[in-house]
Amino acid sequence: DGGITQSPKYLFRKEGQNVTLSCEQNLNHDAMYWYRQDPGQGLRLIYYSQIVNDFQKGDIAEGYSVSREKKESFPLTVTSAQKNPTAFYLCASSSLGAVGYNEQFFGPGTRLTVL
Amino acid sequence: AQKVTQAQTEISVVEKEDVTLDCVYETRDTTYYLFWYKQPPSGELVFLIRRNSFDEQNEISGRYSWNFQKSTSSFNFTITASQVVDSAVYFCALRGSSNYKLTFGKGTLLTVNP
Repeated sequence: DGGITQSPKYLFRKEGQNVTLSCEQNLNHDAMYWYRQDPGQGLRLIYYSQIVNDFQKGDIAEGYSVSREKKESFPLTVTSAQKNPTAFYLCASSSLGAVGYNEQFFGPGTRLTVL
Repeated sequence: AQKVTQAQTEISVVEKEDVTLDCVYETRDTTYYLFWYKQPPSGELVFLIRRNSFDEQNEISGRYSWNFQKSTSSFNFTITASQVVDSAVYFCALRGSSNYKLTFGKGTLLTVNP
């Protein structure tokens, strides 16, 4: 089945440790995105990538890093520099249409808790 | 700058009631795209609809309908004869033609009680 997978579903880390969240898609989508969601809040864009080996900062990139070595994969590293990393992280992807990027499809999310 | 406002933080209805979720947006783009997503308790966002700014026709899909009014910058979502399975957080989102970025509202938590 085509879709987006994120792993793990739940992640616990100690303060000061870096942690990497996985995102893979088999939809052949060009663009991939990472969002952060806090309780009672909408989604905020962390990073996005339109092509392999290229990515751009979103609204809240500080304390995060990404890579896009393959079209299917867009891992997100939450570094120790992120001051409040406990949140729900969602990965998304979209295809390029005639009038720009089409709707984004989302993975199941990773809930990160920093102890 | 783009902005999406969902003024209703929480709505609670009884099964079979109709319910409308409001969405008001701001953008300077003349061409833009509006979206609705559903987030059930499992957490994954489910795409419901995309509406282009140059197409003001309202749309109906089963029990779901969407009312797009450019004059009031609104894109409201109505669920007819609500069901318990409709309980979720619903997000309205906006993308301008000049970029790829989705701007989300803060969401409306809909609870449908049996």
